[in-house]
Amino acid sequence: QVHLVQSGAEVRKPGASVKVSCKASGYRFNSYGITWVRQAPGQGLEWMGWISAHNGKTKSGQKVQDRVTMTTDTSTNTAYMELRSLRSDDSAVYFCARGNPLQPAMSPFDFWGQGTMVIVSS
Amino acid sequence: SYVLTQPPSVSVAPGQTARITCGGNNIGSVSVHWYQQKPGQAPVLVVFGNTDRPSGIPKRFSGSNSGNTATLSISRVEAGDEADFYCQVWDTTSDHGLFGGGTKLTVL
Repeated sequence: QVHLVQSGAEVRKPGASVKVSCKASGYRFNSYGITWVRQAPGQGLEWMGWISAHNGKTKSGQKVQDRVTMTTDTSTNTAYMELRSLRSDDSAVYFCARGNPLQPAMSPFDFWGQGTMVIVSS
Repeated sequence: SYVLTQPPSVSVAPGQTARITCGGNNIGSVSVHWYQQKPGQAPVLVVFGNTDRPSGIPKRFSGSNSGNTATLSISRVEAGDEADFYCQVWDTTSDHGLFGGGTKLTVL
């Protein structure tokens, strides 16, 4: 069965960086992509970006595109999302989800990680 | 940029049918996916490609999409269906994923 297990909660000061991991199991990692979604407290879902575990191609949302780096390590079946220059409004739960390996428009996000809470506070 | 509009809340009595809408300009021309999120949990895909259900999702969940409105229908609603529901599309203009604002389903 497909599982995505994310790293634990993080607390950072404004201006710092955070790196969240998402370890996949139960499927061929490099045959899919990974999408990152975040949810601020009491708010809806916000699509952040997508990375292909097949070829490393990425797409990023406008709000974070200058501050986010998404990578994958196919030797450990793990995806990473690093967000830099953190602000208080980056405080949110960050989710990874499985998606299409080449054309993110073509597939839904069918399996999700449990979420990682990131708190940005001075 | 493309906008998806959902009602903030929908209420329905047990056993009735809940209909949650997702409005967007000519949304009938794109593929819509629906996610259910219960408090403190990750979202779960319940309908994809407008009308298809993933394995394990009850047949009570169904979707439709035409014109400017996509709809998630939940028949014979149960207390356990209470959750937030989000529609999602791929915005081809920006080449980004996009979620609706979410709808809280309350079972009376």
